[in-house]
Amino acid sequence: AQSVTQLDSHVSVSEGTPVLLRCNYSSSYSPSLFWYVQHPNKGLQLLLKYTSAATLVKGINGFEAEFKKSETSFHLTKPSAHMSDAAEYFCVVSDTGGFKTIFGAGTRLFVKA
Amino acid sequence: NAGVTQTPKFQVLKTGQSMTLQCAQDMNHNSMYWYRQDPGMGLRLIYYSASEGTTDKGEVPNGYNVSRLNKREFSLRLESAAPSQTSVYFCASSTGGDTGELFFGEGSRLTVL
Repeated sequence: AQSVTQLDSHVSVSEGTPVLLRCNYSSSYSPSLFWYVQHPNKGLQLLLKYTSAATLVKGINGFEAEFKKSETSFHLTKPSAHMSDAAEYFCVVSDTGGFKTIFGAGTRLFVKA
Repeated sequence: NAGVTQTPKFQVLKTGQSMTLQCAQDMNHNSMYWYRQDPGMGLRLIYYSASEGTTDKGEVPNGYNVSRLNKREFSLRLESAAPSQTSVYFCASSTGGDTGELFFGEGSRLTVL
């Protein structure tokens, strides 16, 4: 069975400082892993995805994530936060069939000026 | 390029009333999905349609029905709305398969009194 745990419900950083949003997963298969971002009153937008190629995945807006199989983690990072990064972020795991997609509960990122 | 379009964006119902949420995509995607989003619970899959002519239950199908009208359109129906169905509903589409990115609509906020 698949599951995904986002370890922090809220993260607060100052503008210009690094961002770390943590995600652990469980999957019986070789998973596909995604990070999506949701700005207020908007739909979700793909930030990046891991699909068994390079373990360090680069996404849009300077975000990246590293797949660590030994730690079953897929943490999202950004070197320097911007005010526009304030949003909710979802870690997602999908099995090889693509239809058993499990969303984490989300991490709300606050960015202080 | 509209992507995924949902209607209506807002709806207030009384308990026992029925309604249909409409969704259309213009990306020629095979697969379509309906999710609900509740605070602290991420997104949960209600129903999905892997391809035109097929539909399957997701994690939380009770109280809902769906119709895949054609390749573009996938509707979600609440036959007898209940307060527990107060939520934000998202339609999504994908090409299908194990690495498919989900493309989301902007959501429909439903309140059942």
